Amino acid sequence: SQQGEEDPQALSIQEGENATMNCSYKTSINNLQWYRQNSGRGLVHLILIRSNEREKHSGRLRVTLDTSKKSSSLLITASRAADTASYFCATDAENYGQNFVFGPGTRLSVLP
Amino acid sequence: DAGVTQSPTHLIKTRGQQVTLRCSPKSGHDTVSWYQQALGQGPQFIFQYYEEEERQRGNFPDRFSGHQFPNYSSELNVNALLLGDSALYLCASSLAWETGTYEQYFGPGTRLTVT
Repeated sequence: SQQGEEDPQALSIQEGENATMNCSYKTSINNLQWYRQNSGRGLVHLILIRSNEREKHSGRLRVTLDTSKKSSSLLITASRAADTASYFCATDAENYGQNFVFGPGTRLSVLP
Repeated sequence: DAGVTQSPTHLIKTRGQQVTLRCSPKSGHDTVSWYQQALGQGPQFIFQYYEEEERQRGNFPDRFSGHQFPNYSSELNVNALLLGDSALYLCASSLAWETGTYEQYFGPGTRLTVT
């Protein structure tokens, strides 16, 4: 299985602090995506990083990818209470289309 | 520009019954994927439809079937419901994999409860 695993399972921080979540996977990938999910709702696409990229930025988000270690990290800077959500990484296998595999997620709580 | 829509929002069924969930993709998207998300877990891929055919399938039994219509909308059917089928069912739309565009856009989901 190429299932991604996020770490930590839960994270609680104060508003203004940075939050870092990690994702590990098992097989070679085409790309890795990060999604956010507010309680019991649909997922929101945050950022996609391709296997030949090492770092991407989008606003307060920074994603890194280390294919040699089969791992990725999502950094949220200057967190806000509205960032409270579950965060998932999703991977797809090389040459296997869009069968995305999600990890169990990191539940982030940002306290005001 | 309408995003991905799903209906119904909530559904309660009894064991053994059958259910149909519906999804309309984001405008311009031709590929629809379905996921099952149990409480506290990440979404699990059920299958994907493109050009009205099942293109890929995850590790789900044949009780789970689907359909895609010419307008790209899709249905997920689950027969002989089990208690374990209780979950949030998510639909995601995207462009075909061959385009090299991989972002998926998710609908709000249908919460299915089997009693």
